[in-house]
Amino acid sequence: EDQVTQSPEALRLQEGESSSLNCSYTVSGLRGLFWYRQDPGKGPEFLFTLYSAGEEKEKERLKATLTKKESFLHITAPKPEDSATYLCAAYGNQFYFGTGTSLTVIP
Amino acid sequence: DAGVTQSPTHLIKTRGQHVTLRCSPISGHKSVSWYQQVLGQGPQFIFQYYEKEERGRGNFPDRFSARQFPNYSSELNVNALLLGDSALYLCASSLVQGGDEKLFFGSGTQLSVL
Repeated sequence: EDQVTQSPEALRLQEGESSSLNCSYTVSGLRGLFWYRQDPGKGPEFLFTLYSAGEEKEKERLKATLTKKESFLHITAPKPEDSATYLCAAYGNQFYFGTGTSLTVIP
Repeated sequence: DAGVTQSPTHLIKTRGQHVTLRCSPISGHKSVSWYQQVLGQGPQFIFQYYEKEERGRGNFPDRFSARQFPNYSSELNVNALLLGDSALYLCASSLVQGGDEKLFFGSGTQLSVL
């Protein structure tokens, strides 16, 4: 069965305290691994697409990496404005989303 | 450029009623997808339309239906509403160009069924 699992469900960090979010996937014929950010009451906002194992992409304090079974979203020196839910989605014959990691960055 | 627009933003219905949600994609995008997001969960795929043809359907009952119009806008219809249909309904558009199906989401319609 195609599925995506994210961990942890929730994460509280002090401002400046780096950490990583995990996304494990089992999706047949993976065509891409996507990361989105979602603020309360809003639609998901696109962050990254990764296509092959070993690929890395960066944007400001965020870096996404991909292996054959997992993806990580690394957050370096986070700020309070990085607080949001981060969703991972694996694209096979359709998009399969995880349940997200709710990140809170405390000043 | 305008992003994906959805209407209405909020809706309250009672059990058994019918609802129609609307979506306008980003200009130039020919594919529209619908997702249901229950509080605390990730979005669940309902439908995808491309060039007015249904391209994919998720695991939802026949009470859910959709269509895409010649201008690529889309409607999602839900009949015989149940309490469990309460959720944020998201529309996403994509270019579908060169195999890169990056989704751009609207802000959603929050549906409450009482």
